[in-house]
Amino acid sequence: AQTVTQSQPEMSVQEAETVTLSCTYDTSENNYYLFWYKQPPSRQMILVIRQEAYKQQNATENRFSVNFQKAAKSFSLKISDSQLGDTAMYFCAFSRGNEKLTFGTGTRLTIIP
Amino acid sequence: KAGVTQTPRYLIKTRGQQVTLSCSPISGHRSVSWYQQTPGQGLQFLFEYFSETQRNKGNFPGRFSGRQFSNSRSEMNVSTLELGDSALYLCASSLPGPMGDGYTFGSGTRLTVV
Repeated sequence: AQTVTQSQPEMSVQEAETVTLSCTYDTSENNYYLFWYKQPPSRQMILVIRQEAYKQQNATENRFSVNFQKAAKSFSLKISDSQLGDTAMYFCAFSRGNEKLTFGTGTRLTIIP
Repeated sequence: KAGVTQTPRYLIKTRGQQVTLSCSPISGHRSVSWYQQTPGQGLQFLFEYFSETQRNKGNFPGRFSGRQFSNSRSEMNVSTLELGDSALYLCASSLPGPMGDGYTFGSGTRLTVV
């Protein structure tokens, strides 16, 4: 069974600074997908970024980028130039594709004005 | 394009009752998954439907069931409600194929059992 671990329950950072959220996972699969989802107080889970395991290049989406280390089974999220709207719960998730998402326990991120 | 729509947004039920939650996926999405989110257990997978067939199932008791209609809309039902069923129930839809655009979630239904 796959497991996803987020070791930082809470983080806070000043507006405009850079913050990195950690995620490690455990799987015996070689092909899989990794995701970061953001859940603001509105409750809707919003896809931030995704990474396909067979791609060596780290995914980027505007201010969001990942550091994907397949051998170390690590998938961290970097948020640059953080904004107040980035305040939310962030969940790391794993999927083998066409199957369920396995989520970590989340990191509560607060951006301080 | 319209997102994933879940109804109702909030629901209060009494122990022992049953409840039905609805999820309308994004147009063209044929896979619908359901997740339960609680402070204690986090996000847990309930089941997934594709083309009206249950394709995957999580580790939940038989009181939790679901179905999918020919238009890909899905419902989940919980019978004989227990206090522990109080949770946010999230629905997600996705395109067919390996991952498509990934999973798109609705805003959830907050169920409170009293």
